[in-house]
Amino acid sequence: GAVVSQHPSWVICKSGTSVKIECRSLDFQATTMFWYRQFPKQSLMLMATSNEGSKATYEQGVEKDKFLINHASLTLSTLTVTSAHPEDSSFYICSAGDRGVGEKLFFGSGTQLSVL
Amino acid sequence: GENVEQHPSTLSVQEGDSAVIKCTYSDSASNYFPWYKQELGKGPQLIIDIRSNVGEKKDQRIAVTLNKTAKHFSLHITETQPEDSAVYFCAASKGAKAGKSTFGDGTTLTVKP
Repeated sequence: GAVVSQHPSWVICKSGTSVKIECRSLDFQATTMFWYRQFPKQSLMLMATSNEGSKATYEQGVEKDKFLINHASLTLSTLTVTSAHPEDSSFYICSAGDRGVGEKLFFGSGTQLSVL
Repeated sequence: GENVEQHPSTLSVQEGDSAVIKCTYSDSASNYFPWYKQELGKGPQLIIDIRSNVGEKKDQRIAVTLNKTAKHFSLHITETQPEDSAVYFCAASKGAKAGKSTFGDGTTLTVKP
């Protein structure tokens, strides 16, 4: 099946610093990738849709200047949490759709961000 | 917008028993219904999906049923094993926009050996 690789799996950073999370589709091309945030024991909350070669589309309430998304190639999307604060601590997950098998979504393994 | 409700929130079964998780959706235009399994500290994994033109789909011990009229779909796991213990999410979406899926709140399944 399609594989989505996400790195790092966990990161600890100081308040005020920026953190970059990478999401790669390893064996298929993804013109669209998605970024989610998940709090403990809760469902996935879609943050934004990452579009290859164009600007990301953010969901209502998500600060685009806070969560920078870049989708420079058909296999890589990055999420940068800028000037991180403790309230940004969360589990971040990416996904990509493999059109070769219809609209099925494949998820990365997630990144646990802890901001001190 | 779409609203997906999932029940139960927790489910505990004995190894070998069956487990059933149910979801209802509100938007009759939704036509793609995947189920995901998420283990602790990992991303969700697609385990089975169904489209609105099909009433049932099976894959070994896992099956999904869809009732379009009632707008509900269910996940059935037979002969449960301890490794089936995880959080299961249902989702609903329209057309080729699985990424814009609306997810249920999840069901924590515990299979006791």
